[in-house]
Amino acid sequence: DTQLTQSPSSLSASVGDRVSITCRASQGINIWLAWYQQKPGKAPKALINGGSSLESGVPSRFSGSGSGREFTLTISSLQPEDSATYYCQQYSSYPRTFGQGTKVEIK
Amino acid sequence: EVQLVESGGGLVQPGGSLRLSCAASGFTFRSYWMTWVRQAPGKELEWVANIKDDGSNKYYVDSVKGRFTISRDNAKNLVYLQMNSLRVEDTAVYYCARDDSRGFVVWGQGTMVTVSS
Repeated sequence: DTQLTQSPSSLSASVGDRVSITCRASQGINIWLAWYQQKPGKAPKALINGGSSLESGVPSRFSGSGSGREFTLTISSLQPEDSATYYCQQYSSYPRTFGQGTKVEIK
Repeated sequence: EVQLVESGGGLVQPGGSLRLSCAASGFTFRSYWMTWVRQAPGKELEWVANIKDDGSNKYYVDSVKGRFTISRDNAKNLVYLQMNSLRVEDTAVYYCARDDSRGFVVWGQGTMVTVSS
């Protein structure tokens, strides 16, 4: 199985800050990585696919980069509504796997 | 409007069975793979199973193989998850999602399954 490890597990930042979350895969997954945002009590929302392609309707302050084994989700200017848990997920092989999540809080 | 609506969750005793359903609308259901993802209380997301658009291929996470069965009815725009021999550790919110081959773009609201005596 391909393990995904996210770092950090949580972070606290101020409105307007630039924040980055890293997702490392236990084996190469090319670009087959997606990012999701989940707010409490809600279903996840797709943000990024193919490592760096923004899903329709997602604000441009979100961006993704990386390939192979290391990927990054960046929020260029953190907004109050970005408070959530973020997950990476690989779709290179079965079983599909998710990272353990990164909780983003607003100071 | 593209929509997925899950149903069938509830409280069941260990060793029991439950069948979840997911009703799709607003898109050409027969053209898409479908997936089930679960999330235990306070835990991360876990992919459970998926099924090819025509139902000919199915994949499962090891922890549910032999106990869970995913199926679909393209005439009714429904995907199912039959869960047998349920364990306490199967307690979770179960989401169905449209598998767009670029991740899971459309999600349902989830249905809670509690396995407890």
